[in-house]
Amino acid sequence: DAGVIQSPRHEVTEMGQEVTLRCKPISGHDYLFWYRQTMMRGLELLIYFNNNVPIDDSGMPEDRFSAKMPNASFSTLKIQPSEPRDSAVYFCASSRSGELFFGEGSRLTVL
Amino acid sequence: AQSVTQLDSQVPVFEEAPVELRCNYSSSVSVYLFWYVQYPNQGLQLLLKYLSGSTLVKGINGFEAEFNKSQTSFHLRKPSVHISDTAEYFCVATSGTYKYIFGTGTRLKVLA
Repeated sequence: DAGVIQSPRHEVTEMGQEVTLRCKPISGHDYLFWYRQTMMRGLELLIYFNNNVPIDDSGMPEDRFSAKMPNASFSTLKIQPSEPRDSAVYFCASSRSGELFFGEGSRLTVL
Repeated sequence: AQSVTQLDSQVPVFEEAPVELRCNYSSSVSVYLFWYVQYPNQGLQLLLKYLSGSTLVKGINGFEAEFNKSQTSFHLRKPSVHISDTAEYFCVATSGTYKYIFGTGTRLKVLA
């Protein structure tokens, strides 16, 4: 079985540019989560979806961040405009019965 | 509010020695507990989980953990570690609402 697939694995961009991170969850999983990991703050939940519907986006830092899940097999996390403090590893995870399955992460560097 | 505390940020241990990584949680409701491992530049993967039943849970790679309700602990143990166990370990709790609370992580460094 393919796991959670994230792209790109690495992204280097300049401040002010738009960044789009992508995630394909495991087939059949009805929950999808976006996390951000930094040395200073550890793992933070940004948003999660159930059956493609956003349930809790209280962790989204500000209006520059947005997430969508147009169908059960695809989600995006967009940052516009990006800032250096957004530099982090962004993880997508999916779940069906309580256990979280993580992707390999997208490492974002904003210069 | 639910919280997870990992008491040690770093644990150095010699190869083939036993190790215990400590985790305490606070919750006023039933709790489900997990341990995840993160190798460098990788995502997190599940080591073991406690949902109900036996309080001693066995996981992959020879790890086990014991759920102790009276002490609100879920410590992770391995009787003999290998160099390949060097990684960061996260204790995670949820009350079943799909809001997972992560500990701050413990870096296990296995020394030759």
